[in-house]
Amino acid sequence: EVQLVDSGGGLVQPGGSLRLSCVASGFNFRDSTMSWVRQAPGKGLEWVSTFNYGSGNTYYADSAKGRFIISRDISKNTLYLEMNSLRDDDTAVYYCAKVGSPPHGDYWAVWGKGSTVTVSS
Amino acid sequence: DIQMTQSPSSLSASVGDRVTITCRTSQRIGTYLNWYQQKPGKAPNLLIYAASSLQSGVPSRFSGSGSGTDFTLTISSLQPEDFATYYCQQSYIMPLTFGGGTKVEIK
Repeated sequence: EVQLVDSGGGLVQPGGSLRLSCVASGFNFRDSTMSWVRQAPGKGLEWVSTFNYGSGNTYYADSAKGRFIISRDISKNTLYLEMNSLRDDDTAVYYCAKVGSPPHGDYWAVWGKGSTVTVSS
Repeated sequence: DIQMTQSPSSLSASVGDRVTITCRTSQRIGTYLNWYQQKPGKAPNLLIYAASSLQSGVPSRFSGSGSGTDFTLTISSLQPEDFATYYCQQSYIMPLTFGGGTKVEIK
């Protein structure tokens, strides 16, 4: 079964850091492009970051650029999102998601259940 | 950035109704348009990719159409399990962007 299990969320103070993890199973993680998408309470979906397996390139939304780092550990089948200098408006449920097959651009056919991040003093 | 405008933002419909949701993009994106369904407290679920391709396992009452800047998601006969929020998303260019969502409620 194709599955993504995200974890690492919690309560953090403004300016703090947190690392989210997403363990993949049931598919070839090495050859998969992966993303993080978030959803603030009561709001819509917002793309955060993508790791492209083919080029090794990483992409970030402006809201994440310079503060968040996406990475992966192939040996652990795990995707990470390192979040630094966290702000109140980073409060959201963070989903990891697997990008679908090319050539239709980056869309997401497999999603984790989500990890809740709350930034508050 | 490509702006995504979904309409309506909400609608009330009855079981068996035909429902149409539209998504307009601020620039032409070919058919790089995808649709998701999200129920409260759950992750989004991919319905349609590449504007009109039905994702495996999704009921055939869902269909998508359009190209360029104007796209449509249609539910041919609304079922009780279809009451949810629907989002469009462009996969043409970074940053990837979503529409604001359409909440489909029971009339």
